[in-house]
Formats: sequence, structure tokens, C-alpha cells
Amino acid sequence: EPEVTQTPSHQVTQMGQEVILRCVPISNHLYFYWYRQILGQKVEFLVSFYNNEISEKSEIFDDQFSVERPDGSNFTLKIRSTKLEDSAMYFCASGPGNGYTFGSGTRLTVV
Amino acid sequence: RKEVEQDPGPFNVPEGATVAFNCTYSNSASQSFFWYRQDCRKEPKLLMSVYSSGNEDGRFTAQLNRASQYISLLIRDSKLSDSATYLCVVRPTGAAGNKLTFGGGTRVLVKP
Repeated sequence: EPEVTQTPSHQVTQMGQEVILRCVPISNHLYFYWYRQILGQKVEFLVSFYNNEISEKSEIFDDQFSVERPDGSNFTLKIRSTKLEDSAMYFCASGPGNGYTFGSGTRLTVV
Repeated sequence: RKEVEQDPGPFNVPEGATVAFNCTYSNSASQSFFWYRQDCRKEPKLLMSVYSSGNEDGRFTAQLNRASQYISLLIRDSKLSDSATYLCVVRPTGAAGNKLTFGGGTRVLVKP
């Protein structure tokens, strides 16, 4: 069964550093998403991406966040200057339009 | 009011018993409804979509009540492997690619 692949599975970074979280969506999917889940809290929408541009973003997705699809396979989330409160599980998802498949997530720990 | 609200539980369920729980949503224009399952520190996985007429998938039954803006999930003959957090998920519109809004989850613990 096709999978959404995320790397790394766990990233530890110092406050103020930039991080890039990587995702390989399922190859024939057109819609890509990032969600995050702070420990003990609900899954929250960050951003959706379609046709090489952001189609929707939440208020969490401020100027320190950016997304990119640098080639035909990867989909990345960059956090420019990490804060302690960015520590969370970040899930990438992709879908053909209806329905999603989530990746197994990257656990980001900001120290 | 939270967009999607769930009783966090935990619901402690004897193996073989039936458990049911609800979720309420605030946006009356919401179009699509789902139950996802999330195991500890894992990604959400789609359990089932919820249709207006109600639907069943094996031991799982989902119902939608648009008038009262809630959906429900019933698990029959609970198995130990059903222990997980069940996430109520709403999609605000029917537009392709639209975001999902998650509830905080209901934790279910099935015990022998």
C-alpha cells in the first residue's frame, strides 16, 4: 500500500535554529498538507498546498513557516527560527482530493 | 465554543462489551465527517467516514445527526486492540482538498 514518508522521525534543535521537515507524498496525489500535534493536544491544521501554491493556511502558519515542493517528489516544511512552543509532532498528509493519507510524523523537540 | 468537541475519556471497557461516544461540531455548514483512530504517538488513521444515513463497518457503527450537530461511534464486541484514541474529524466544506478539523479525541481502554 502506498505510503507518505516523513524524515527525520525525530529532530532535536536549539531555539532560534532553522529546521526543515521533509515529506514524500504518494506519487499520484495532488493535495499536500502539514498538520501538527503538540503533546497531549489535538491535531491542528497548518497549511494545504495544491498546484504549486498554498491553497489555505491557518493562523498558526505565520511568517516563520514556509512550505516548498522543490522537485516532483518532496514536500518540505521550513521553520525559520524555532521557538520552544514549536515542539510538537508534525504530520504530512497527501490526498487525491477526497481522503487523506498521513505520514508517520516527525517529532520536533526544541531545546 | 470549540469547533469539534469530544469527551476525552478514558472510557474503560471490558473486553467484549459495547462502548459508544459522541462528538459535537459547531459549524452547521460542515459537509463531511469522519472517525479516525490514533494510537499513542502515531499518525491518525481513517477508521470510517460518516454518512447521513448512518453506516456500519464490521463492529463499528457511525451515526450523524445534523439537526443536533453531533456524530457518534459505537464499537461492539470490543477487542483489546481497539484501545486507542478516537478522533472526530470534520471537513467544513465539500471542496476537494479542504482541510480537516480535529476534535481532541476520546480515549478508549479495553481491558481483559
